[in-house]
This record gives sequence, structure tokens and C-alpha cells, in this order.
Amino acid sequence: QQQVKQSPQSLIVQKGGIPIINCAYENTAFDYFPWYQQFPGKGPALLIAIRPDVSEKKEGRFTISFNKSAKQFSLHIMDSQPGDSATYFCAANSGGSNYKLTFGKGTLLTVNP
Amino acid sequence: DGGITQSPKYLFRKEGQNVTLSCEQNLNHDAMYWYRQDPGQGLRLIYYSQIVNDFQKGDIAEGYSVSREKKESFPLTVTSAQKNPTAFYLCAAGGRNTDTQYFGPGTRLTVL
Repeated sequence: QQQVKQSPQSLIVQKGGIPIINCAYENTAFDYFPWYQQFPGKGPALLIAIRPDVSEKKEGRFTISFNKSAKQFSLHIMDSQPGDSATYFCAANSGGSNYKLTFGKGTLLTVNP
Repeated sequence: DGGITQSPKYLFRKEGQNVTLSCEQNLNHDAMYWYRQDPGQGLRLIYYSQIVNDFQKGDIAEGYSVSREKKESFPLTVTSAQKNPTAFYLCAAGGRNTDTQYFGPGTRLTVL
């Protein structure tokens, strides 16, 4: 079964810290890796995404690092703020005729003031 | 939330009742999806539809039904056969022109 394993389950950092959330996958057919941010009671919102042809992508304070050989990717949040406190989900998609995203189980991030 | 609307925001159901959750999108995406979210369980796929008048079961389809009569609409019915329906339900759209899925604001269903 296709799986995306996400860790840690929860994470607490101080304001200005750099939380790192990791995901690992098995299916080498995956070719699209998005991260979603979800606030309580809201739907997930796309944060940033990467394809395997690059090793890093930055958008503002958010960076994805991608290691194709290790089949791992991670989200880094620079200069974290209390407003970044949310649940973060990684996901993967194998494209082609399969439009299904496989999600990790999520990481609850708390950024203390 | 983009152009995806879900209604109602909150829904209460009595035991044995069927209820229907609405999902509408104006993003012109071919594919639509229904997910169930429980604490600590992440997002689990219930049903998805890649094109009008066609849909496929996801990982947890038992006790649910869907229809896709229009490109813009993908309603989900939670039937009395679903033994533990209390959850947060999320609709998404995406697919053919984009690998990304865009989510609606969700419906929280509670069984009384």
C-alpha cells in the first residue's frame, strides 16, 4: 500500500526557531510532493510543493528539502512565528492517470511567543 | 478555500438517519474528492471522481455514497450504515490540469 510517513507527530518551538517536519515515502512513482497547512476548524491550504527534479524550493519563510535517493522530503519554517501554529500535512502524488494524493498523518506545530 | 464551498458548516444527525453534505466548486477542475478527518488520523479518502458520471471508492467508502451529475457538484451522503460518522469532512477539487488539490472549508458532522 502506498504510504507517506510523517514525523514528528507534534512539535513545539520558540518564536524565531526553525521547526523541521520530515516525510518519507516508498513508492518511487511519486513525482509531486505538496505540503498543506491547516488551522483548527478550517480546510487544508496548499503551502508549497516540489517535484523530484530539484533538491530544494523556497517560498518566503518556507523551504522544502528533497532527497530523492533517500526517498525523503522535509519542510523547514524559518523565523517561525506564533501565527505559524497549525497542523502541517505532507503528501505525494504519482501523477499520470492517478490523481490521488497520499497524505501523511500530520504534525501539530506550536510556536510559543 | 478558493472556489470550493461546502455546506452546511455544522451538521447534526440522529442515529439511523442519512444526511447529505454539499460540495460545489467553480475552479473548473475535473476531479473532486471527499476526505474524512479524525484527530490523529490525518486525511482518509472516501470517494473521488475524475469525470462527470463516474466515481471510484477510496480507502474508507463503506457507509458512504456519492454522485457526480455535474462538473461543479459532488455531494456526499453519509448513510445509516456508517457506524461512526462523527468527523470533519473535507471536499477537494483538482486533477487533470494540476497535481494539486484545493480544499473546501469542511463540514463537521456530529451524531447525536
